Amino acid sequence: GAVVSQHPSRVICKSGTSVKIECRSLDFQATTMFWYRQFPKQSLMLMATSNEGSKATYEQGVEKDKFLINHASLTLSTLTVTSAHPEDSSFYICSASERRVGGYTFGSGTRLTVV
Amino acid sequence: EDQVTQSPEALRLQEGESSSLNCSYTVSGLRGLFWYRQDPGKGPEFLFTLYSAGEEKEKERLKATLTKKESFLHITAPKPEDSATYLCAVRTDSNYQLIWGAGTKLIIKP
Repeated sequence: GAVVSQHPSRVICKSGTSVKIECRSLDFQATTMFWYRQFPKQSLMLMATSNEGSKATYEQGVEKDKFLINHASLTLSTLTVTSAHPEDSSFYICSASERRVGGYTFGSGTRLTVV
Repeated sequence: EDQVTQSPEALRLQEGESSSLNCSYTVSGLRGLFWYRQDPGKGPEFLFTLYSAGEEKEKERLKATLTKKESFLHITAPKPEDSATYLCAVRTDSNYQLIWGAGTKLIIKP
């Protein structure tokens, strides 16, 4: 079955630094990638959608200069949290989809803690 | 406005006690309804996709059904390892993104 690998699973960084999260589709071509943020005891909140080779489309209220998304290949997307602050601490999850086939496969998530 | 509502918010069952989780939706055009299981600190794990009213799918102790207004996730004789949050999401004709319900937290007590 489709597998998405997300790294790191946990990261702690200092306030003001940047953190990069990687999301790789291992056995299919991810034409579309989704990045979510999840707060404790809440459902998934979509941050942005990216199609391979195109700029990401951000949801209302999500700062595109703070959450940089790159989807340069059909198997890799990255989310960079720039100048992180404690309020950026959260659980970030990626999801990959191959439009021709359909279906949405999720990574295992990244717990970001900004101190 | 497209909307997905899950109920109950939380459900506690004894091991072996069967029950159902509900996902009701109001969307302009349904392209697919998805069920996922999420364990704490993990990403959602795919369970089922349903596409049309009357469709049913089964996997072990789980069975998903779909009508024109809602979907049910039936769990038969659950075990403690079935404890998780179950998420429902829909894809519509007008959008490739998923619209998510808030989830049902299921706790199975031994």
